[in-house]
Amino acid sequence: DAGVTQSPTHLIKTRGQQVTLRCSPKSGHDTVSWYQQALGQGPQFIFQYYEEEERQRGNFPDRFSGHQFPNYSSELNVNALLLGDSALYLCASSFWGLSVVYEQYFGPGTRLTVT
Amino acid sequence: GQQLNQSPQSMFIQEGEDVSMNCTSSSIFNTWLWYKQDPGEGPVLLIALYKAGELTSNGRLTAQFGITRKDSFLNISASIPSDVGIYFCAGQPLAGGTSYGKLTFGQGTILTVHP
Repeated sequence: DAGVTQSPTHLIKTRGQQVTLRCSPKSGHDTVSWYQQALGQGPQFIFQYYEEEERQRGNFPDRFSGHQFPNYSSELNVNALLLGDSALYLCASSFWGLSVVYEQYFGPGTRLTVT
Repeated sequence: GQQLNQSPQSMFIQEGEDVSMNCTSSSIFNTWLWYKQDPGEGPVLLIALYKAGELTSNGRLTAQFGITRKDSFLNISASIPSDVGIYFCAGQPLAGGTSYGKLTFGQGTILTVHP
């Protein structure tokens, strides 16, 4: 049973460029959440996708956008990259329950460096 | 963004000792989760708690969901070198609320175990 997978593992971009990160959820999961983790900090919630729609959003600018595909996989896009966007980007998958909150399982992350 | 208050920030202990860490919040959560993260990896779920007052064990790990729903505790008994890492608490609000599905993380406790 494959866990959460993310690609690429790391990449380097220049200020002003755009980047796309990808995530495949754990088998049986239908919800994908994205988090940004700066060095020495806990993860910060970016947004969550279920049924191909953004369901929740954290305090991140519109430069951060996402998409979920019919097979539940997801992409995170960041436009006009800033130096401060350098971080570990984590994808977490879960099962969307109507009345019960389920655990979120994380992938290994994508390390983004902006120069 | 909002984060939980996790303490202590770091711990240096001898192998075989017991460890305790805690997490407090000004907000009520309906689920508390404890994760462990190794350098360059994504967080790994250790324990999930769903009811106030609940005490749950996973091997040498024991976690409790505080009665007030605003805190949680994690204990590790008889520590071993592979317990080294960063431990994060995370809270998830009530299902159906405006922040449903959004995990709020503590800043982490760095655990070092000396052989």
